[in-house]
Amino acid sequence: DAKTTQPPSMDCAEGRAANLPCNHSTISGNEYVYWYRQIHSQGPQYIIHGLKNNETNEMASLIITEDRKSSTLILPHATLRDTAVYYCIVRVKDRDDKIIFGKGTRLHILP
Amino acid sequence: DVKVTQSSRYLVKRTGEKVFLECVQDMDHENMFWYRQDPGLGLRLIYFSYDVKMKEKGDIPEGYSVSREKKERFSLILESASTNQTSMYLCASSLWPSGGVAEAFFGQGTRLTVV
Repeated sequence: DAKTTQPPSMDCAEGRAANLPCNHSTISGNEYVYWYRQIHSQGPQYIIHGLKNNETNEMASLIITEDRKSSTLILPHATLRDTAVYYCIVRVKDRDDKIIFGKGTRLHILP
Repeated sequence: DVKVTQSSRYLVKRTGEKVFLECVQDMDHENMFWYRQDPGLGLRLIYFSYDVKMKEKGDIPEGYSVSREKKERFSLILESASTNQTSMYLCASSLWPSGGVAEAFFGQGTRLTVV
């Protein structure tokens, strides 16, 4: 079973920041938070990951709370191309890491 | 760029047929995965493999088997296809995360229809 909880859908106006929340209250010390997104009819695409510290790359920022029980993915200037399902996953860096997906958040970018 | 290639984008098979879905990756990744995706159910893990000839069951292995004879190729087998196996099938690969980033790379998917 997925170890994360996400809202099923969210709306965001084009050009605004999209903030996607994720709860992972049972996360353990050696588990990372990963975010993927899936645009319609494509395979999921990696966005970003983190352990304790906040992370930023060219696609997004990841904010992880101090207790690590929740995180937020931030798309700073959402465009219509960001319309997708966003998945938050916790993963342990082990050889038999299964990569279990939840149902994700369907993000609608409104023009 | 990493490439994960699934042999077919669309496939139509008859009930009872033996079906092979092939997946090839070109980045020497240790880990490979098969998922199915259905509306309202998200991606569900069927099987994964962390080495040649090694396989582990995922959440929904019933009705499926897998084969990994070579590192770059991971096959999903439907021994006797049934209509409830009509779905989108996604393959993925990943490095064994020995200290590095272990993002998974996905193929484009195979939409299988069993009639």
